[in-house]
Amino acid sequence: EAGVTQFPSHSVIEKGQTVTLRCDPISGHDNLYWYRRVMGKEIKFLLHFVKESKQDESGMPNNRFLAERTGGTYSTLKVQPAELEDSGVYFCASSQGTKGEQFFGPGTRLTVL
Amino acid sequence: RKEVEQDPGPFNVPEGATVAFNCTYSNSASQSFFWYRQDCRKEPKLLMSVYSSGNEDGRFTAQLNRASQYISLLIRDSKLSDSATYLCVVTGYSTLTFGKGTMLLVSP
Repeated sequence: EAGVTQFPSHSVIEKGQTVTLRCDPISGHDNLYWYRRVMGKEIKFLLHFVKESKQDESGMPNNRFLAERTGGTYSTLKVQPAELEDSGVYFCASSQGTKGEQFFGPGTRLTVL
Repeated sequence: RKEVEQDPGPFNVPEGATVAFNCTYSNSASQSFFWYRQDCRKEPKLLMSVYSSGNEDGRFTAQLNRASQYISLLIRDSKLSDSATYLCVVTGYSTLTFGKGTMLLVSP
């Protein structure tokens, strides 16, 4: 069975540009999470979807970040406009139940120049 | 104060050594506790859950002390393949709160 997949694996953009990250969870997993690791810091929670609904978006840093999960399958995370401090590794995870083990994708390494 | 604190290391140990990692967490309402392993430039993977009664999985033993808000991981008979960053993770409802991780380097 396929694990969590993320696209792209790497993205290098200039400050002010827009980037969209995609996450495909494990099939059948209703819960989808976005996390981010900024260099030198711990992995931090961004938001949690249950199917297509945002269950918790308390970790979203500001309104330049927009996450969607239309149809309750894959999710996108758009950063617009990107700033230097948005550089980091963006991980997506999915779980079957809310308390179930979260399986992580390989991450998208975003570099904003 | 950080929500989850860990010694960043690195811990340099020879093969066969026993090594212990510790972690403290600040939120007394935390419900579940885990150790994740992260290899360089890879995603975190669940190593084991941690229970108050202590639990063992092969060479790995994890322990939780709720009163002290302290979590530990013991690795016996270290292998070269154990080299990685070990992340202490706690959760309330569903979201994971990570420590920065402790790096372990096992040398021949």
